[in-house]
Amino acid sequence: QSALTQPRSVSGSPGQSVTISCTGTSSDVGGYNYVSWYQQHPGKAPKLMIYDVSKRPSGVPDRFSGSKSGNTASLTISGLQAEDEADYYCCSYAGSYVVFGGGTKLTVL
Amino acid sequence: EVQLVESGGGLVQPGGSLKLSCAASGFTFSGSAMHWVRQASGKGLEWVGRIRSKANSYATAYAASVKGRFTISRDDSKNTAYLQMNSLKTEDTAVYYCTRHFGGSYPDWGQGTLVTVSS
Repeated sequence: QSALTQPRSVSGSPGQSVTISCTGTSSDVGGYNYVSWYQQHPGKAPKLMIYDVSKRPSGVPDRFSGSKSGNTASLTISGLQAEDEADYYCCSYAGSYVVFGGGTKLTVL
Repeated sequence: EVQLVESGGGLVQPGGSLKLSCAASGFTFSGSAMHWVRQASGKGLEWVGRIRSKANSYATAYAASVKGRFTISRDDSKNTAYLQMNSLKTEDTAVYYCTRHFGGSYPDWGQGTLVTVSS
């Protein structure tokens, strides 16, 4: 049950695009299409942004997109806005358990 | 509207016990798997465990870090899930969230309840 690997931080200027990677193994990310992404602002509960690798819940802007290749999933945020500054976590089903990534702090410059 | 409200957090000494509750509304609780996720201050999210629905035999699973010490249960008549925590360690100090598991993700979260393990 090892945590998925995410970069500790990424940054971008308003209007730019950033991509956050999430690397696991064939037992989690690579083995199932149940990768999800969560946005968390300080002091708040996480919010679902992407599920089933690339699907967006109702209300999530289409600036947010997800993908997966092999054991690595990615979250791309295009047209960065100030309110996108937050922590982002990937999450994967892994059979009998669930595993999260260590989290990535996104800074909007 | 889905609502998940955790309660029962507080200060407990190492080796002690605490039972958290998660009151749910706005969805068919009895048909849903319920999970617990925790977050230590300044740290990332950590999956704690889950309980499936009656249709799935109320099957439970736990993270290795809590297995044998924590127990998840549910009372479908009260739309409530529970997390019984025994033999608590200082490293169990965290905000504990209950979540509804749907389609491989967590679309709904509670506000969390803080558990502090300290002497």
